[in-house]
Amino acid sequence: DQQVKQNSPSLSVQEGRISILNCDYTNSMFDYFLWYKKYPAEGPTFLISISSIKDKNEDGRFTVFLNKSAKHLSLHIVPSQPGDSAVYFCAARGSNDYKLSFGAGTTVTVRA
Amino acid sequence: EAGVTQFPSHSVIEKGQTVTLRCDPISGHDNLYWYRRVMGKEIKFLLHFVKESKQDESGMPNNRFLAERTGGTYSTLKVQPAELEDSGVYFCASSQDGNYGYTFGSGTRLTVV
Repeated sequence: DQQVKQNSPSLSVQEGRISILNCDYTNSMFDYFLWYKKYPAEGPTFLISISSIKDKNEDGRFTVFLNKSAKHLSLHIVPSQPGDSAVYFCAARGSNDYKLSFGAGTTVTVRA
Repeated sequence: EAGVTQFPSHSVIEKGQTVTLRCDPISGHDNLYWYRRVMGKEIKFLLHFVKESKQDESGMPNNRFLAERTGGTYSTLKVQPAELEDSGVYFCASSQDGNYGYTFGSGTRLTVV
């Protein structure tokens, strides 16, 4: 059973605009959430994370929002740049668990 | 520092054959993980080593898969005999601790024909 879901397989956005990626989870034991970015033929690279005690974490152009009651998180990229074109994975884990549960990924294409 | 290295990058084998994937983690990282992504779906956990010990192997699909980490350094993942559904990209990752994101390798793309 898939505990982390990314329901949008793809997203196309114009350069300079905002990209919003969504992620839903079902396991209420998850308390740490991460976003990874993946280019073709490369492994996923860590982008940004958020603990369940927060509802927002910002790092430069990237902001992650967490809504625990809705079991939903989102990643905002603003402004979007051509180098942001990649697959983005949402991941989650429990507090004493090193194992990550991933979503299926969202492919972002930034148009010039 | 060198990243996580996986070998080979690609492997094409026939059903019933054996394949061994290798992962060299970042030096000093006690935690080593294997994950798999099949057909563009989610990345699924296979197992977790702490040094040479298997901490969690709950994601291993069946007994055709055998992972080892002799001496707590590099790790191998052997598939014997390979089946068509084993095709996918196998990622290895390592971390010093679990508080932040892992560092992933580039993966081994396995195709079973």
